[in-house]
Amino acid sequence: GNSVTQMEGPVTLSEEAFLTINCTYTATGYPSLFWYVQYPGEGLQLLLKATKADDKGSNKGFEATYRKETTSFHLEKGSVQVSDSAVYFCARSGAGSYQLTFGKGTKLSVIP
Amino acid sequence: DAGVTQSPTHLIKTRGQHVTLRCSPISGHKSVSWYQQVLGQGPQFIFQYYEKEERGRGNFPDRFSARQFPNYSSELNVNALLLGDSALYLCASSFGLAGSQETQYFGPGTRLLVL
Repeated sequence: GNSVTQMEGPVTLSEEAFLTINCTYTATGYPSLFWYVQYPGEGLQLLLKATKADDKGSNKGFEATYRKETTSFHLEKGSVQVSDSAVYFCARSGAGSYQLTFGKGTKLSVIP
Repeated sequence: DAGVTQSPTHLIKTRGQHVTLRCSPISGHKSVSWYQQVLGQGPQFIFQYYEKEERGRGNFPDRFSARQFPNYSSELNVNALLLGDSALYLCASSFGLAGSQETQYFGPGTRLLVL
């Protein structure tokens, strides 16, 4: 079946540090890939998406590239801020369906 | 424009009771999906509805049911509540036309506690 594996947290970084959160997915079908962010006490917000191989999604300084050869969609940001502290979820769509399969989430804490 | 709205925001029930959660999608969206997020985990897919028809069902028992109304709002019903049903229930909406490339927009969730 479909699955998503993302790096275990929590991750603690100093402000302006470089961020990478690893995500790999099962290679069944031609999924779209997503990163969602969840701030404390809130629902999920779409951060970025990519719908086909080699696409790069980007938003608010975050980037992720759809790598079919390594079945990966790693999230990166060059300089994190305290306001980026949240839980980040990697997700893939089903083959031809709307169903999203999520990773377990990675909690990021950025300290001043 | 209003985003996805859900009600109630919080709910406390006891084992064996029934609960109904409600969701209103973004205006113009015809697809609604429901997810369960247990504390510390990623959301798990429960149902997807498009144009009032069930289009997908996750691995949840028959105690879970849902429906979509002509105005595209949706209800999730859970019967015979168990302690393990305690979770954040998320509703997501999308236009419903682009299949796996669709972006789903999530509401703030309903936090259910079963005692």
